[in-house]
Amino acid sequence: RKEVEQDPGPFNVPEGATVAFNCTYSNSASQSFFWYRQDCRKEPKLLMSVYSSGNEDGRFTAQLNRASQYISLLIRDSKLSDSATYLCVVKMTSGTYKYIFGTGTRLKVLA
Amino acid sequence: DVKVTQSSRYLVKRTGEKVFLECVQDMDHENMFWYRQDPGLGLRLIYFSYDVKMKEKGDIPEGYSVSREKKERFSLILESASTNQTSMYLCASSFRDAGREVAFFGQGTRLTVV
Repeated sequence: RKEVEQDPGPFNVPEGATVAFNCTYSNSASQSFFWYRQDCRKEPKLLMSVYSSGNEDGRFTAQLNRASQYISLLIRDSKLSDSATYLCVVKMTSGTYKYIFGTGTRLKVLA
Repeated sequence: DVKVTQSSRYLVKRTGEKVFLECVQDMDHENMFWYRQDPGLGLRLIYFSYDVKMKEKGDIPEGYSVSREKKERFSLILESASTNQTSMYLCASSFRDAGREVAFFGQGTRLTVV
């Protein structure tokens, strides 16, 4: 079983739609959680950290469920510019420096 | 803004060549990483460094070595390039923000070994 699993997609959604991605992780010792965005042939860029209480940044909302070991990303009012691959990232407990990346979920927002 | 710079965007090398990939960060970060990214496999950690001259193997260190002589620079070395090392190579550095480590990436080096 992969340490971090994501549905690869693609998710094809019309502009203005709401779309949600889930990501599951296997190691309960995971400490920090992030969503990164990666455009085609570019480097991953931090979209948002994920906090235990859930957090929101504009149209983006991230949730963490430690009991079920998954994190989610909700995008409201999708824009064409949201088309990208979204990477779920988990960092292990402090004292190690290891980030575990999911393989990403591809989103296409259609006009 | 955090700046992580990789020396080349695209490289083409021949099998058996020794290849150096350079990465520089200008934010005095202690932790630096080298990943490779392949379709369907995601990002896999090759090596990381948590201080000058300190390094630890990641998940796929075979065929690679690293050097960190200065805090701002982390080099990845392919001792004898092989075609299965054709990949996108991503360098990252990280710092602690609001109690958590956050990683920032360079623009990537797309290496082709022929």
